[in-house]
Amino acid sequence: QKEVEQDPGPLSVPEGAIVSLNCTYSNSAFQYFMWYRQYSRKGPELLMYTYSSGNKEDGRFTAQVDKSSKYISLFIRDSQPSDSATYLCAMMASSASKIIFGSGTRLSIRP
Amino acid sequence: EPEVTQTPSHQVTQMGQEVILRCVPISNHLYFYWYRQILGQKVEFLVSFYNNEISEKSEIFDDQFSVERPDGSNFTLKIRSTKLEDSAMYFCASSEGPSTGRSYGYTFGSGTRLTVV
Repeated sequence: QKEVEQDPGPLSVPEGAIVSLNCTYSNSAFQYFMWYRQYSRKGPELLMYTYSSGNKEDGRFTAQVDKSSKYISLFIRDSQPSDSATYLCAMMASSASKIIFGSGTRLSIRP
Repeated sequence: EPEVTQTPSHQVTQMGQEVILRCVPISNHLYFYWYRQILGQKVEFLVSFYNNEISEKSEIFDDQFSVERPDGSNFTLKIRSTKLEDSAMYFCASSEGPSTGRSYGYTFGSGTRLTVV
């Protein structure tokens, strides 16, 4: 079983739709959960981070972590064409340890 | 907003040659990292560096790789004898450290695309 699993997509939705991106993981030691956005040939850009279980909201983005199910989600409301990118889930066991990334979901928002 | 700067943006090298990738982390950050991403694959951890020494490294980071912080601002990754399979995007990242409580979610640079021919 892979340490972090993420559906690679691609996922295409119309502008204004709600987008749901998900990851599962197997390592129960993970405590820090992040979502990064990556544009083509650019470095990952941090969108959201969450410590342990729970929800976190930032504008149109909501991150959810369910440690009991080892499942994390990112919701994007009122999606815009500028949200088109690859979204990477990422996790760490401690605050200064290495990040383990998912394979990324390629998202396209159609105008 | 502070950013991590990487140079060059693209490097082409011949197989067997040494290559040095350079990074300038954010100035008040204490932890430094290198990751790589082979085309079409996931971002993979290579090495972390703190207090002038390697704190963790992956199995990818073998004897052909080394890191150095030669002065107060630069952080370099050296590959001694490049192989075709070293072709990838190499990302440098930095973070403040756990003492601030905001260390998770590092800042990544835009990457160096290394092509070994």
